[in-house]
Amino acid sequence: EAQVTQNPRYLITVTGKKLTVTCSQNMNHEYMSWYRQDPGLGLRQIYYSMNVEVTDKGDVPEGYKVSRKEKRNFPLILESPSPNQTSLYFCASSFAQGDEKLFFGSGTQLSVL
Amino acid sequence: QKEVEQDPGPLSVPEGAIVSLNCTYSNSAFQYFMWYRQYSRKGPELLMYTYSSGNKEDGRFTAQVDKSSKYISLFIRDSQPSDSATYLCAMSEDDKIIFGKGTRLHILP
Repeated sequence: EAQVTQNPRYLITVTGKKLTVTCSQNMNHEYMSWYRQDPGLGLRQIYYSMNVEVTDKGDVPEGYKVSRKEKRNFPLILESPSPNQTSLYFCASSFAQGDEKLFFGSGTQLSVL
Repeated sequence: QKEVEQDPGPLSVPEGAIVSLNCTYSNSAFQYFMWYRQYSRKGPELLMYTYSSGNKEDGRFTAQVDKSSKYISLFIRDSQPSDSATYLCAMSEDDKIIFGKGTRLHILP
């Protein structure tokens, strides 16, 4: 089954404790992206990757890191999480950048205390 | 003015009604227009997309784009309780997709 898999689904952590949210896709997509979704603010892009070893900042990259060492994986790293990073996070992928059909994961609800 | 404006709702309508969801935008360079549906605790999924102006129909759903007015709509006919979700409009210029904030829709049985 074609899918984007994110883990974990739910995560509660404390300020400053490094964490990684994993994302994997099985569709051989070139393009992958991370979004955060907050009430009243909608989906905002954090980082994206057009291909292996190619990443770029989205609209809200501060406090986040990403890497794309393999085509299928695109982890999101929070080196020192803060409460303002409490949000619902989505990983998405598509065949190419700008492709209308983005495939989204089921989301990771992160709470930073 | 924000690039994409979408009324957040919630919008509550009785089962069987026709639903109209709308977005306005400011960037005349947008070429592709999309509607994503997001169920509670799930990621968005693409429902429909259109290129440039005009209508596109898929079953009970019709997407409409009016580029002269910078206005797009999604119509749902014979609405069902299973249509209850958040609907996000999205549009793209070249390589960037911009999402609206979403409209929460409740179909009342």
